[in-house]
Amino acid sequence: GQNIDQPTEMTATEGAIVQINCTYQTSGFNGLFWYQQHAGEAPTFLSYNVLDGLEEKGRFSSFLSRSKGYSYLLLKELQMKDSASYLCAALDSNYQLIWGAGTKLIIKP
Amino acid sequence: ETGVTQTPRHLVMGMTNKKSLKCEQHLGHNAMYWYKQSAKKPLELMFVYSLEERVENNSVPSRFSPECPNSSHLFLHLHTLQPEDSALYLCASSQNRLAGPDTQYFGPGTRLTVL
Repeated sequence: GQNIDQPTEMTATEGAIVQINCTYQTSGFNGLFWYQQHAGEAPTFLSYNVLDGLEEKGRFSSFLSRSKGYSYLLLKELQMKDSASYLCAALDSNYQLIWGAGTKLIIKP
Repeated sequence: ETGVTQTPRHLVMGMTNKKSLKCEQHLGHNAMYWYKQSAKKPLELMFVYSLEERVENNSVPSRFSPECPNSSHLFLHLHTLQPEDSALYLCASSQNRLAGPDTQYFGPGTRLTVL
């Protein structure tokens, strides 16, 4: 079957760095998405990776290893507003998104 | 961000009621989606419309009935729901579902409670 695994919850300190991991098993693979969702709000697009390696976008970076079925989202210089759920989703061979349950990130002062 | 809007934002209904959820996208996209989001569970894809035709229906009970009158509007008609249908219902749109990797843009959702 198709599956996405990511931690349920993580806690980090304001100003620090946190890495949210995601492993995937899909029928074929056409890339991996990360979304951010604040409580009660819409998921918003953060990144899309289809090639191996690290892509940096300001304080946020996303990494992909296709051979390991693994991705992570790296958040630097954490701010209180980064408290949110982070959703990992892999695109299978039919271009259907397979979603993880999300990682709730709690930022403490 | 007002690219995808949903109404109502909150809805409480009894099991015998009939109600509709509305979604509108202002992004010029050709594909629209309905998702169900329950606490601590992955997003569940319910329906996909591409160019106003339904292209996916993931074994959703018939008490949920989608309607896509044009590429900008999507409805989800609800009738005789069950308490386990209580969830956040998210609408999304994307440029072109059938053309490969495609970023989806979400609305804020309708928080549905079935009593």
